Amino acid sequence: GAVVSQHPSWVICKSGTSVKIECRSLDFQATTMFWYRQFPKQSLMLMATSNEGSKATYEQGVEKDKFLINHASLTLSTLTVTSAHPEDSSFYICSARDWVWDGYTFGSGTRLTVV
Amino acid sequence: DQQVKQNSPSLSVQEGRISILNCDYTNSMFDYFLWYKKYPAEGPTFLISISSIKDKNEDGRFTVFLNKSAKHLSLHIVPSQPGDSAVYFCAASAGGATGTASKLTFGTGTRLQVTL
Repeated sequence: GAVVSQHPSWVICKSGTSVKIECRSLDFQATTMFWYRQFPKQSLMLMATSNEGSKATYEQGVEKDKFLINHASLTLSTLTVTSAHPEDSSFYICSARDWVWDGYTFGSGTRLTVV
Repeated sequence: DQQVKQNSPSLSVQEGRISILNCDYTNSMFDYFLWYKKYPAEGPTFLISISSIKDKNEDGRFTVFLNKSAKHLSLHIVPSQPGDSAVYFCAASAGGATGTASKLTFGTGTRLQVTL
C-alpha cells in the first residue's frame, strides 16, 4: 500500500534555530502534499498545500516566511520551521494523495519541541 | 469556523457492541469524506471513505453512512474490539474522489474507548 515516510519523528531545538522536516512518498509519486499541525487534544489544522515544482499555497494565518515549504521532486516535500520559538512546539504531519488507491496517506508525524 | 464537527469528544462502548461515531459538516461543496483512526504522536491511519454519490460504504467491520440532506455522516464499527480504542477523525474534501488533490478539513475528533 501507499507509504509516506516522515523524518524526524521527534526533534528538540533551541529557540531561534531552524528545523527541517522531510516527507517522502515511498512507493508512489505525489504532485501534491499537505502539511498539518496538531496541538494537544485538538484537530489537525492544515497549514499549507505543497505543489511539486511551484510555490506552496498557505492557509490563512500561516506565515509563509516562517514555515518554508519546498517540493522539489515528486516524492519529497520539506517543511522548514525558521527561527523557531516555543509557541511553534507542536505535532507536524504531512500527507499525500495517492491516486493508485485513491486516498490520502499520512506520515507518522514529527513532534517538535522548542526550548 | 469549524466546517466539520464531531460533537461527541468521547465515547465508551463495550466489547462486541456497536460503536457509532458521528460527524456533521456545513460546507455543501464537500463531496468526499474519510474516517481516520489516530493514536497519540502518530499520523492518522485511513479507515474508510465515501463519495457523495453514495450513501453507504462498507469494509469489514466498518461502515460509513452519508446523509447529504442532513450534512451528516456516521461511522459504525461492529463488533467493537479493544484494539479499536483510539481517536477517530472524520475529514472532508471538495475535490471529489477522483478530482484534484484537494485539501482535507478535519473534524475535532472523538475518543473511542472499547471496554472489556
